[in-house]
Amino acid sequence: GAVVSQHPSRVICKSGTSVKIECRSLDFQATTMFWYRQFPKKSLMLMATSNEGSKATYEQGVEKDKFLINHASLTLSTLTVTSAHPEDSSFYICSARRQGALISPLHFGNGTRLTVT
Amino acid sequence: RKEVEQDPGPFNVPEGATVAFNCTYSNSASQSFFWYRQDCRKEPKLLMSVYSSGNEDGRFTAQLNRASQYISLLIRDSKLSDSATYLCVVNTNTGTASKLTFGTGTRLQVTL
Repeated sequence: GAVVSQHPSRVICKSGTSVKIECRSLDFQATTMFWYRQFPKKSLMLMATSNEGSKATYEQGVEKDKFLINHASLTLSTLTVTSAHPEDSSFYICSARRQGALISPLHFGNGTRLTVT
Repeated sequence: RKEVEQDPGPFNVPEGATVAFNCTYSNSASQSFFWYRQDCRKEPKLLMSVYSSGNEDGRFTAQLNRASQYISLLIRDSKLSDSATYLCVVNTNTGTASKLTFGTGTRLQVTL
């Protein structure tokens, strides 16, 4: 069964509104979670690394004020797309790995398809 | 040079064929390697880890060549359901942190 849960799986919102996406590790603790974005027929692109209890680390070119990340507990990270625009429409996927397991694989959430109208 | 490189394909093969994908990585300090499968409009799912001695899981065989810095995935007796994009993932540890780098994926289309 799924070990990482992501919600919602699909959201349609109007331009200018904010959307929050949740990522939960279900049966393990994750001090680090990762947020990716994927455009159609393109590869996964890492947006940021979410660190429990501290600030997220953003990849070059990703606006931290637009993509707010909060990792308040060892099992939950949230990504908020603020003031969404149509160009933010994409597939957003989170992932996590078990705490202390640096060589373990990532477990992915089922993704959130965001459409901004 | 990209950190992780894959041939994007697509590889079009008939059902029952054997197909192999390669993936090269640039950082010789990389420690662990994985193959993920991603279906259209879905999240990636772990297919298999890649061990130094090579490993097999049913019709799938993964191999690692550290000297040449590449990993491979072999699929025997291809099924229609194997059609997907296969992502090569390389993990590099630096002290207490680790960095996972994804290849762009190789698309496989298995046909009748």
